[in-house]
Formats: sequence, structure tokens, C-alpha cells
Amino acid sequence: LAKTTQPISMDSYEGQEVNITCSHNNIATNDYITWYQQFPSQGPRFIIQGYKTKVTNEVASLFIPADRKSSTLSLPRVSLSDTAVYYCLVGDYLQGGKLIFGQGTELSVKP
Amino acid sequence: GAVVSQHPSRVICKSGTSVKIECRSLDFQATTMFWYRQFPKQSLMLMATSNEGSKATYEQGVEKDKFLINHASLTLSTLTVTSAHPEDSSFYICSAGDRLGVVANEKLFFGSGTQLSVL
Repeated sequence: LAKTTQPISMDSYEGQEVNITCSHNNIATNDYITWYQQFPSQGPRFIIQGYKTKVTNEVASLFIPADRKSSTLSLPRVSLSDTAVYYCLVGDYLQGGKLIFGQGTELSVKP
Repeated sequence: GAVVSQHPSRVICKSGTSVKIECRSLDFQATTMFWYRQFPKQSLMLMATSNEGSKATYEQGVEKDKFLINHASLTLSTLTVTSAHPEDSSFYICSAGDRLGVVANEKLFFGSGTQLSVL
């Protein structure tokens, strides 16, 4: 299973764009990159997923370089409600792979 | 999107008692569910993989006789913490996906978690 490394914490202000980078040097060919968000005392929530290049949905963008050894979650114009822990995971679930969480990044958005 | 329901959300029990936590997939069938525990300010730790109709697969260091998992149907998995002690106090979370083993880019859905406090 590919191991991931993220910054432990980040601070931002409302309205700013936040970019959280995750390193996954040992990512395998069939692995996908998935980001989850977790608020205190709640289960994680799916944010975005990608395999290569750029993926965008209504809440975030995911940038993946050609070598796929890292990925960057981009949150546009954050608000106070985006204060949460963000987890980057890589895996191939075709074979029933397990979802192993790394340490995550605690994002704090200030007014 | 798919919904995973977890109950109870909070439970307080006396030391030595057993506690059962339920995890249900509400609008899809889940042949596989995962159970995690999370201590304050820490990441989620995978405890076991629950497989419908067969024995659960436990991660290294997790006592299978302590944490009993039953996955009797395609929509329900239960975790029973037996003879609970204060050190078992933690946040327990389940997750499931409707396409595990079918597609590589499965997205898991998580329950809301159960806060267990053992006195």
C-alpha cells in the first residue's frame, strides 16, 4: 500500500485559496488518489478523486503531475466551515484493497 | 450519494460490559465493510475488514475476541466490544462501498461514528 505524507497543519483566512499537497512516492500503476474531509466527531466525507492530470468538481480541484508521485487538493475561497482535517489516500480497490489513512492535514480557516 | 448509517452515535457503559455498534448501508448492498477507531487528535486506524457471510479479517494487533464483528447480511455489519475497559474508549467509525472488488476507483462512504466512553 502506498504511503502518503501531508503537512500536519495549515492556516488560512476566509476567501483565500488553499492548496494541500500530498506526497505518494510509491504509488502503483493502478492506484487512484482520493481525498476525504473530516469534521470533529463525524465520519470522513468524500471530496474528490483522480488518476492523472486535473479533476474539478463543485467543491475542489485535484492536480496530479505526470509522475503521479504527489497530488494537490485545491479549495477555492475557503470559508470558516472548511475548517477540518483533510486526508489523502491512494489505492486500488478492484482487489478489495483496504483504505489506510495517513496523518491528515488539519486546516484552520480564520475570519 | 450512498448512505451509511451507524448507531448509536454515543454510548456510555460500565467497565466489563459489552457494547454493540451497528453499521447499515441504506441504499446499496455492501459485501465488504471496514471498521476504524480514532483517538482524539489522531488519524483513523483500520481495525478490521468485515465480509458478508464469512469471518472478518483483523489488522495486526487488534484482538478478534475483543472486537467481535458480524456481517450477517449485505446491509448490516455489527461491531461488539466485549468486556469493555476504559482504554477501549474511542471513536469508532464504519465505512462501506457499493463497488468494492468491481472497480479500482471505489469511493467509500462513512458512518457518522460512535463515541464510546467506558467508565
